[in-house]
Amino acid sequence: QQQVKQSPQSLIVQKGGISIINCAYENTAFDYFPWYQQFPGKGPALLIAIRPDVSEKKEGRFTISFNKSAKQFSLHIMDSQPGDSATYFCAASIKTGANNLFFGTGTRLTVIP
Amino acid sequence: NAGVTQTPKFQVLKTGQSMTLQCAQDMNHNSMYWYRQDPGMGLRLIYYSASEGTTDKGEVPNGYNVSRLNKREFSLRLESAAPSQTSVYFCASSDPGTENTIYFGEGSWLTVV
Repeated sequence: QQQVKQSPQSLIVQKGGISIINCAYENTAFDYFPWYQQFPGKGPALLIAIRPDVSEKKEGRFTISFNKSAKQFSLHIMDSQPGDSATYFCAASIKTGANNLFFGTGTRLTVIP
Repeated sequence: NAGVTQTPKFQVLKTGQSMTLQCAQDMNHNSMYWYRQDPGMGLRLIYYSASEGTTDKGEVPNGYNVSRLNKREFSLRLESAAPSQTSVYFCASSDPGTENTIYFGEGSWLTVV
């Protein structure tokens, strides 16, 4: 079964708006929660990541909010730009030895000019 | 610095044929991975190699074999291709020294007819 559940499947946002993508997990052993960005024809690339000892991490226009008790985390993209149009994947792993990531099913974001 | 390089980029196989996907990384990473990406499924781990000389099954290993040839190279073999193996395959690598961030190649598009 899907270890990490992601929603929505697709998202259309106006330029300058806020894009919000949500993920949920069940395995309380997960201790690393990255977000990956993927452009068409390319491999995923790390965008931002968080550990469960903090509730929020911000890098530029990208923010991860983390709710340990609810086992949920979300990506917020502020002032969304057309260049942000891509597929976003949340993931989770237990960082011991090999970093085996369990991915969500992805969200295709389209930012309309 | 090429990062993670995969070959071939595109391949069409007939059912029952065999082939090997090649992967090499030049970042001196210890761990390497093979993922497959299917629409609506996200990325799923096929096999991984935590370090040179070791390999382990991931979520979806059936129908695949791997070889960690040396620290740089990790190949994925389909012994008898099936239409269900039509997918985009991504090789990746990581190392604890880089916060265990996983770096992906650009993908190999495989179609089995």
